[in-house]
Amino acid sequence: NAGVMQNPRHLVRRRGQEARLRCSPMKGHSHVYWYRQLPEEGLKFMVYLQKENIIDESGMPKERFSAEFPKEGPSILRIQQVVRGDSAAYFCASSPRRDTVHEQFFGPGTRLTVL
Amino acid sequence: QKEVEQNSGPLSVPEGAIASLNCTYSDRGSQSFFWYRQYSGKSPELIMFIYSNGDKEDGRFTAQLNKASQYVSLLIRDSQPSDSATYLCAVNFQGGSEKLVFGKGTKLTVNP
Repeated sequence: NAGVMQNPRHLVRRRGQEARLRCSPMKGHSHVYWYRQLPEEGLKFMVYLQKENIIDESGMPKERFSAEFPKEGPSILRIQQVVRGDSAAYFCASSPRRDTVHEQFFGPGTRLTVL
Repeated sequence: QKEVEQNSGPLSVPEGAIASLNCTYSDRGSQSFFWYRQYSGKSPELIMFIYSNGDKEDGRFTAQLNKASQYVSLLIRDSQPSDSATYLCAVNFQGGSEKLVFGKGTKLTVNP
């Protein structure tokens, strides 16, 4: 039973480039959450998505960041024109449905380094 | 601004001792509380969650919740070197969708 999958596991970008991070939820899970962890910091919520819907994007920076979870395929977190401050670990979690916050399972994360 | 506070540590205990990790939160309407363990370079792993006041035990781990004091703790009995990790407290606030608000974590070292 595969867990949450994220790719790539490591991503290096130069300032100004775009970064695309992918998250495939656990089988049977239709809710996806993205969190960011800066060095030596706790996790910060970014966005919560259901298939084809953004439920809560209160943690997303206003510019350059966007997320989607299409009907088919993985959820994608997109960062345009990356800056050094975007260097962090980005974790995706999934859960089967609403009101299952205790069933949020995390993927291995994508470590983004901006040169 | 809903906040979760933890002592950053590091907390160091000898093998076999009880490790006590503490967490406070800002919002009285908080609904559910979680403890995650995170090894260096790895993703968070859920250890326990607790919803009601009192204690909840699972093996060597006990979570304690006091909603009146807005305080949640994690006790690890018979600590092992493999318990050395950063422990993250997380809270799901009422009306805050399904998102978790995390503390910065407490780094625990168990010395053999």
